[in-house]
Amino acid sequence: AQKITQTQPGMFVQEKEAVTLDCTYDTSDPSYGLFWYKQPSSGEMIFLIYQGSYDQQNATEGRYSLNFQKARKSANLVISASQLGDSAMYFCAMREGRGNTGKLIFGQGTTLQVKP
Amino acid sequence: DSGVTQTPKHLITATGQRVTLRCSPRSGDLSVYWYQQSLDQGLQFLIQYYNGEERAKGNILERFSAQQFPDLHSELNLSSLELGDSALYFCASSHGDGANQPQHFGDGTRLSIL
Repeated sequence: AQKITQTQPGMFVQEKEAVTLDCTYDTSDPSYGLFWYKQPSSGEMIFLIYQGSYDQQNATEGRYSLNFQKARKSANLVISASQLGDSAMYFCAMREGRGNTGKLIFGQGTTLQVKP
Repeated sequence: DSGVTQTPKHLITATGQRVTLRCSPRSGDLSVYWYQQSLDQGLQFLIQYYNGEERAKGNILERFSAQQFPDLHSELNLSSLELGDSALYFCASSHGDGANQPQHFGDGTRLSIL
């Protein structure tokens, strides 16, 4: 069964340092997409970055990059040069390519706190 | 701003009542998804519509129903409300429904059942 695991309930990072948020996934579908979302305390869900299962290179979007290790089934989010505004809950999610269903399966999330 | 509009932002009602949550997808997006976020269950997929047709169902209760209209906006109807239905309900949209399509979320409707 498809599953997303985020093993870090909470993380702290010093402002301007880099931080890695872990995500492992499980699927038998060779075609899938991996996504990271940010949820600030105000509640909205903000799309950050996407990685496709067939992508050869790790995805990057500004200060966000995805460390994709397919053989280990991991898709860790790296935030460089952390800012106070990065304090939020971060969710890893997966979407399988088969079955014509677009549903996202989410992990339990990691709360990140950036210290000044 | 994701471009997905959800109304109302907050809803407070009593057990046994019925409510309707509304969602307008981003311009050009054909797929609409509904998710429920609660403390005990996390983020759960409820239902997906694509261009007016139901595409997939998740853990949606029989007391809940949804539809997508010709103008592509969608409504989620929750009836016979129970205390456990208190949650943040998100609508999301994407252009298609392939695995490479990011879903863009609205700000959510926070439903409180008293």
